[in-house]
Amino acid sequence: DAGVTQSPTHLIKTRGQHVTLRCSPISGHKSVSWYQQVLGQGPQFIFQYYEKEERGRGNFPDRFSARQFPNYSSELNVNALLLGDSALYLCASTRLAGKEQFFGPGTRLTVL
Amino acid sequence: AQKVTQAQTEISVVEKEDVTLDCVYETRDTTYYLFWYKQPPSGELVFLIRRNSFDEQNEISGRYSWNFQKSTSSFNFTITASQVVDSAVYFCALSEKLDSGYALNFGKGTSLLVTP
Repeated sequence: DAGVTQSPTHLIKTRGQHVTLRCSPISGHKSVSWYQQVLGQGPQFIFQYYEKEERGRGNFPDRFSARQFPNYSSELNVNALLLGDSALYLCASTRLAGKEQFFGPGTRLTVL
Repeated sequence: AQKVTQAQTEISVVEKEDVTLDCVYETRDTTYYLFWYKQPPSGELVFLIRRNSFDEQNEISGRYSWNFQKSTSSFNFTITASQVVDSAVYFCALSEKLDSGYALNFGKGTSLLVTP
């Protein structure tokens, strides 16, 4: 079975722009979580979606938003990009009632 | 508040040495889950193990072993006879309950370098 997939792999944007990152979970997994990993730090939780509803949100500003589609794929949107948004954005999927989160390869976002 | 501390920022060992990565956590939850993930240079986080708070049995998987001690809030990870392929950043994580499901609180990671 295919693992979690994310697109694009790399992205370069300038301050003030908007970005959309995409994630497809493992087949059969209905929950998707997003994490931000700044260089040299551990991943930080941004959002979790289950059955197309937001189930949890980390300490991130309203510039960050997400949604989940009927096929359980997900998008993370970031508006008004700041230099500090430069990071590796990781998507993880979890099966129903599962505890383990399985991560995708991430999208490396650079904001200039 | 939830907190995971990995005090060792970087560890360097020579191949075949044993190495232990420390993890200390704080939580007020009575039921929680602890995890270890490996992040090789490629960047993808690889799940290694989950331990439930109500199960203090230690676990061994090949060259990997985990020591969970609730009394000291620690969940340490030992690699026996380390290999160059073990070089990576290792993260310890603690579950945080959401409306449904869990988020993960990660430590800052320990960078392990195994040299030939």
